[in-house]
Amino acid sequence: GDSVTQMEGPVTLSEEAFLTINCTYTATGYPSLFWYVQYPGEGLQLLLKATKADDKGSNKGFEATYRKETTSFHLEKGSVQVSDSAVYFCALSEFRTGNQFYFGTGTSLTVIP
Amino acid sequence: GAVVSQHPSWVICKSGTSVKIECRSLDFQATTMFWYRQFPKQSLMLMATSNEGSKATYEQGVEKDKFLINHASLTLSTLTVTSAHPEDSSFYICSARATGGPGELFFGEGSRLTVL
Repeated sequence: GDSVTQMEGPVTLSEEAFLTINCTYTATGYPSLFWYVQYPGEGLQLLLKATKADDKGSNKGFEATYRKETTSFHLEKGSVQVSDSAVYFCALSEFRTGNQFYFGTGTSLTVIP
Repeated sequence: GAVVSQHPSWVICKSGTSVKIECRSLDFQATTMFWYRQFPKQSLMLMATSNEGSKATYEQGVEKDKFLINHASLTLSTLTVTSAHPEDSSFYICSARATGGPGELFFGEGSRLTVL
């Protein structure tokens, strides 16, 4: 069945460091891919998404490219800030499975000044 | 973007009592809403899929008699934790997809339940 695998955290970076959070997926069809962010004590917010191969989603300096050949959707940011400290979830949704969402386990990021 | 609101954002109750959590889509209609439970190590567990006007679909291992879900309208779903016990203490999050979507899920702010 469909699934998402995320790199385990927690991840701790210094401010202005480069961030990569790996995400790979398993799906038999053509899923849409998402990154959600959860700030402390809050629900999840959509960070970015991509709906087909080679699409690049971007928002707030974060980017992720839909790579069908490697079944990956890695999240990157060139220079992180303290305010980026949160938990990041990779997810997929596929029409074939009724658009049910499958989430990764989440990666906690802490950025220190 | 679309807004999903949950209420209450936190609640403390005594063991044995029931607690109701509301999930509302404020500016769109949602045929389907989803209820998640989030455990301390962050992972989201899908509890059930709530369909407007019909019975909820529960995931394996979730007690439907304990976690009552009602989706009475296109903008409101409720989760009632019946006879709550300390092990039910958790962060509960709802989400919704706009009617006619595929498309993204919109999440509520979450509700922190603490059972004493």
